[in-house]
Amino acid sequence: RKEVEQDPGPFNVPEGATVAFNCTYSNSASQSFFWYRQDCRKEPKLLMSVYSSGNEDGRFTAQLNRASQYISLLIRDSKLSDSATYLCVVNGRITGGGNKLTFGTGTQLKVEL
Amino acid sequence: GAVVSQHPSRVICKSGTSVKIECRSLDFQATTMFWYRQFPKQSLMLMATSNEGSKATYEQGVEKDKFLINHASLTLSTLTVTSAHPEDSSFYICSAANRNTEAFFGQGTRLTVV
Repeated sequence: RKEVEQDPGPFNVPEGATVAFNCTYSNSASQSFFWYRQDCRKEPKLLMSVYSSGNEDGRFTAQLNRASQYISLLIRDSKLSDSATYLCVVNGRITGGGNKLTFGTGTQLKVEL
Repeated sequence: GAVVSQHPSRVICKSGTSVKIECRSLDFQATTMFWYRQFPKQSLMLMATSNEGSKATYEQGVEKDKFLINHASLTLSTLTVTSAHPEDSSFYICSAANRNTEAFFGQGTRLTVV
């Protein structure tokens, strides 16, 4: 089983639609969780951190379910500019106290007119 | 957010030569730096993780003698691609993180080996 799994998509949705992505992780000791956005040929940029209580930032809502070991990202009223690849990232500790960030393969979103 | 500077952004080199890529965290101390490679239309693939002052941990299938990583300080890590070949042509990205924080990415380096 992969450490972090995402559906690669693509998800093709009309403008204004609501779309949700899920991501599962295998290491129950993982410490923190993030969603990143990556545009074509650019570096990933942090979209939002994910907390157990869930967090919302405008049209974006992220949630963490530790019991089931998954995180989700909900995008409401999607815009053309939301078209990108969304990466799920899990931060777990490694032996010696360092961090290990593990990325999912990304979910591609295409928002269409 | 924090700033991570990666240099150079583009490099073209001849087959058999070595290329060094620098990654600097400009406004925070990065206890851990990560190096990724991304081929066209593929996802980021972690190459190695390096914690300041210790040897890098390489992912399976990544040759540590070919991809030399140095993380001598809390603000600088370097990746040297030795004896580069055309199949090493890719987009290399570094990221820097502190404990329990999100990672911040450099702008990436597009390497073309001719």
